[in-house]
Amino acid sequence: EDKVVQSPLSLVVHEGDTVTLNCSYEVTNFRSLLWYKQEKKAPTFLFMLTSSGIEKKSGRLSSILDKKELFSILNITATQTGDSAIYLCAGGAFGSARQLTFGSGTQLTVLP
Amino acid sequence: EAEVAQSPRYKITEKSQAVAFWCDPISGHATLYWYRQILGQGPELLVQFQDESVVDDSQLPKDRFSAERLKGVDSTLKIQPAELGDSAMYLCASSMGGTSGADGIQETQYFGPGTRLLVL
Repeated sequence: EDKVVQSPLSLVVHEGDTVTLNCSYEVTNFRSLLWYKQEKKAPTFLFMLTSSGIEKKSGRLSSILDKKELFSILNITATQTGDSAIYLCAGGAFGSARQLTFGSGTQLTVLP
Repeated sequence: EAEVAQSPRYKITEKSQAVAFWCDPISGHATLYWYRQILGQGPELLVQFQDESVVDDSQLPKDRFSAERLKGVDSTLKIQPAELGDSAMYLCASSMGGTSGADGIQETQYFGPGTRLLVL
């Protein structure tokens, strides 16, 4: 059975701090790793990673995938209170179903 | 910007009652997913449609849950009878999902706002 594990489960930081969120995966026929941000509603897409070692960046957020060690990290620099959310990672596999297996998320709280 | 629509946003019901949720995917998206997200956990897939056909419903509790996408566009998820343990957020997502079955590209799934269900 496919599995995605995120750590830490929760994290409290102050504005301006840098955080690293971890995601390890065991996905049969792994194809890609996706990161989503979930505030008090539905998840919104952040990144899709398919190749090892290639960093993807969007503003203060960046992410990288290690397909040898089966993990990904999401970095957020200079955190702001608006970054407070649950960050979900999901593994996608080859196959016609195109399904995603989600981790349970990391709850990030950024204090002013 | 195109969005996935869901209704209702909130639903409170008593156990043993029937509830139904509706989802309208992004126009042109062939693949539609229903997820259940229990508080503190990630979304879990309940059912996946490719056009009007069910691709995977292995995690759908078929004794009480049903889903349909009759014309391959919008979809309805029903629970009858609802149980206390069904309290959760029900998320609908869609992706482009071509019919060729080619897997060259992982598709991004776009989520709707969800329906938060509380069963009393």
